[in-house]
Amino acid sequence: EPEVTQTPSHQVTQMGQEVILRCVPISNHLYFYWYRQILGQKVEFLVSFYNNEISEKSEIFDDQFSVERPDGSNFTLKIRSTKLEDSAMYFCASSGPPGGMNTEAFFGQGTRLTVV
Amino acid sequence: GENVEQHPSTLSVQEGDSAVIKCTYSDSASNYFPWYKQELGKRPQLIIDIRSNVGEKKDQRIAVTLNKTAKHFSLHITETQPEDSAVYFCAARDNGQNFVFGPGTRLSVLP
Repeated sequence: EPEVTQTPSHQVTQMGQEVILRCVPISNHLYFYWYRQILGQKVEFLVSFYNNEISEKSEIFDDQFSVERPDGSNFTLKIRSTKLEDSAMYFCASSGPPGGMNTEAFFGQGTRLTVV
Repeated sequence: GENVEQHPSTLSVQEGDSAVIKCTYSDSASNYFPWYKQELGKRPQLIIDIRSNVGEKKDQRIAVTLNKTAKHFSLHITETQPEDSAVYFCAARDNGQNFVFGPGTRLSVLP
């Protein structure tokens, strides 16, 4: 069964450093998402990406964040200058076109980011 | 934008009893409502979903109902088992194709 894969599984970084979280969505999916989940809390929407551009972003997704689809398979989230409060589990997800067979969002296994 | 609320935040049931989790949404244009189960340290996994043109859907011990008029939907788990213990998230897919999640319900099934 196809799945969304994320690397690395765990990233420790110093405050102020840049991090890039990588995701490989399911190959025939069209919509890509980043969510974060602070330990024990809800899954929070960060950004959605469709047709090579951001379609929507939340208040959390400020100027420190950016996303990119550098080639046909990868989807990355960059945090330019990490803060302690960026520590969380970051999930990538992808879904197919609305009304199609793969409407649901499939989640990657997550990257646990720890900012020290 | 869409806002999804979920109740209760925690739920404890005896093994074999039923569990019901309720969600409400705000955007009447939302048309797809998945439910995810998240076990500790793992990714959310889809367990059941419902589209806006359907009122009820069942898959073995789990079922979901949708009331479009009232803008609420519910997850029903019958004959609960200890392995059902997890955090359950409802979500709504809005007109912009984004998934907005509820805050989650921690279900504990007591043996």
